[in-house]
Amino acid sequence: QVQLQESGPGLVKPSQTLSLTCTVSGGSISSGSYYWSWIRQPAGKGLEWIGRIYTSGSTNYNPSLKSRVTISVDTSKNQFSLKLSSVTAADTAVYYCARRGVYGAANYYFDYWGQGTLVTVSS
Amino acid sequence: QPVLTQPPSASASLGASVTLTCTLSSGYSNYKVDWYQQRPGKGPRFVMRVGTGGIVGSKGDGIPDRFSVLGSGLNRYLTIKNIQEEDESDYHCGADHGSGSNFVWVFGGGTKLTVL
Repeated sequence: QVQLQESGPGLVKPSQTLSLTCTVSGGSISSGSYYWSWIRQPAGKGLEWIGRIYTSGSTNYNPSLKSRVTISVDTSKNQFSLKLSSVTAADTAVYYCARRGVYGAANYYFDYWGQGTLVTVSS
Repeated sequence: QPVLTQPPSASASLGASVTLTCTLSSGYSNYKVDWYQQRPGKGPRFVMRVGTGGIVGSKGDGIPDRFSVLGSGLNRYLTIKNIQEEDESDYHCGADHGSGSNFVWVFGGGTKLTVL
């Protein structure tokens, strides 16, 4: 059974960089069959896709966040990571990592999600 | 890229039926969307994917037969029949746009379903 687990600081100061890691167990992140995404949800609001990475390291980002976001992968640790710079209170949210099959695959949807981690931006 | 619009709230009585709507912005009538269910305090769960021809692929694990989808024009519908208490959730739709370096994924604002 595949599991994703987010980890990182729950409190980040304004203007600093938010850093989170998603550890994948029960399957290899190096499989060429999946994209690995970060998605966030402010309290009481909808979901916002932040970006994704493929095992090759190629990335796509939400245009509204692109200038501040970096997603990277560490296949040796079966992890992928999110860095969001120059954070403000508007970046306070529950952050999820999720897996999605590649286009054309039977599981071309977000099939596995982490449980989510709350990150609060406050001084 | 498309904009996905969902009513912020919906309600239905126990045992009744409800249809939730996700509307794509103009020009994107051939797009498929995913539906996700998010129970209170939990992460999202895939329900099913829908295009103008109806369901695309299979339902998510454990999604009961009471859930069905339709697609027409710019609208993508999720219908829940014989509503149960456990269906009280936020329902999110989402769609992909572009490919390669231009890929983006977009979510709607979500609909909060209340079971009366």
